[in-house]
Amino acid sequence: AQKVTQAQTEISVVEKEDVTLDCVYETRDTTYYLFWYKQPPSGELVFLIRRNSFDEQNEISGRYSWNFQKSTSSFNFTITASQVVDSAVYFCALKANFGNEKLTFGTGTRLTIIP
Amino acid sequence: DTEVTQTPKHLVMGMTNKKSLKCEQHMGHRAMYWYKQKAKKPPELMFVYSYEKLSINESVPSRFSPECPNSSLLNLHLHALQPEDSALYLCASSRSTSGGSRSYNEQFFGPGTRLTVL
Repeated sequence: AQKVTQAQTEISVVEKEDVTLDCVYETRDTTYYLFWYKQPPSGELVFLIRRNSFDEQNEISGRYSWNFQKSTSSFNFTITASQVVDSAVYFCALKANFGNEKLTFGTGTRLTIIP
Repeated sequence: DTEVTQTPKHLVMGMTNKKSLKCEQHMGHRAMYWYKQKAKKPPELMFVYSYEKLSINESVPSRFSPECPNSSLLNLHLHALQPEDSALYLCASSRSTSGGSRSYNEQFFGPGTRLTVL
């Protein structure tokens, strides 16, 4: 069975502060994919990043960075110098490599950036 | 073109109505998905089509009937819905459903149809 836990239900930070969203996952598969999606109030889920289980290199994209730690089964997401446009619900998700077409989502973290 | 489009954006229907939701993608993806999302919850998978064939039905009630006329289109036919079916219905597509080191299976989502059943 697969499981994704996002323990932070809601986070509020003041604009320009850094914020980290936590994601912890469980899977018995040795090969899997991890994802982060952003869902603004408009409703559309926006794909942010995919990470393969065999690639533990961290990634930075502008103000966004991701820290993948296989040893602790975590895939955390940091926004640096947050902006009001970052306000959204963020979902972490997990997908096995073979034989399982389902994307397992965490419960999401609602991030509010206060101007 | 990296877009998934969905129509209509909003739909209000009575319990005796028949309506359809439409989804379209032109990214050459061969897997398409329907999700249902209630407020403050993550999306729940309903159906998966792989190469135009239904590969997953997550025990969805028969009042929801999916259809994949071709590789770019996905429909969801609605009939005799209940008020508890009111939700955001999201369509997604991906290059494929299977994994593999060279297979990129991230799902790209449409903007959704916000459905209200009266």
